[in-house]
Amino acid sequence: AQSVAQPEDQVNVAEGNPLTVKCTYSVSGNPYLFWYVQYPNRGLQFLLKYITGDNLVKGSYGFEAEFNKSQTSFHLKKPSALVSDSALYFCAVRAGPGDMRFGAGTRLTVKP
Amino acid sequence: NAGVTQTPKFQVLKTGQSMTLQCAQDMNHNSMYWYRQDPGMGLRLIYYSASEGTTDKGEVPNGYNVSRLNKREFSLRLESAAPSQTSVYFCASSERPYSLTDTQYFGPGTRLTVL
Repeated sequence: AQSVAQPEDQVNVAEGNPLTVKCTYSVSGNPYLFWYVQYPNRGLQFLLKYITGDNLVKGSYGFEAEFNKSQTSFHLKKPSALVSDSALYFCAVRAGPGDMRFGAGTRLTVKP
Repeated sequence: NAGVTQTPKFQVLKTGQSMTLQCAQDMNHNSMYWYRQDPGMGLRLIYYSASEGTTDKGEVPNGYNVSRLNKREFSLRLESAAPSQTSVYFCASSERPYSLTDTQYFGPGTRLTVL
């Protein structure tokens, strides 16, 4: 079955430091991977996606993600974290035409 | 351009009551989805509609029904609410039917409590 795992419930970083939010996936066939962010009491906002091609995907708000087929990973990264990046981050894999499987989420806290 | 809108924002029900959650999108998207979000579990798909006139079950459809009223609107109905349906419900839409690569765009959510 298609699935994603986010091994860290919580990630803490200092403002200005690089951040990484981890995601691993399990799919049969081509992986279509997505990252979303959720701010308190809001819906999910799309950050970026990997469909095919370049393994480094650039997205919104300075985020990027690295697709690694051999490690079945799709980690979200940002070179310099902002306090305003503090939120809940979800990795997701498209499992079928009407099916998106989400990870449990990682809460990112950026401290001043 | 409001994107995806949901009503109501909050709702409290008693066990056994019924209610309908409304969702509308103004992006001329073909596909629409209903998810529920529970702590520590991410989002799980309840039902989806690949295009106007079609609906299909997702991962957790029991206790719910849906109606694709037209291309813009997709409603979720709880016929007899149970405490296990306490959750935050999100509607989403995407452009092309049956596409695996299209981005899904989410509404702001409805927080439902069943007592």
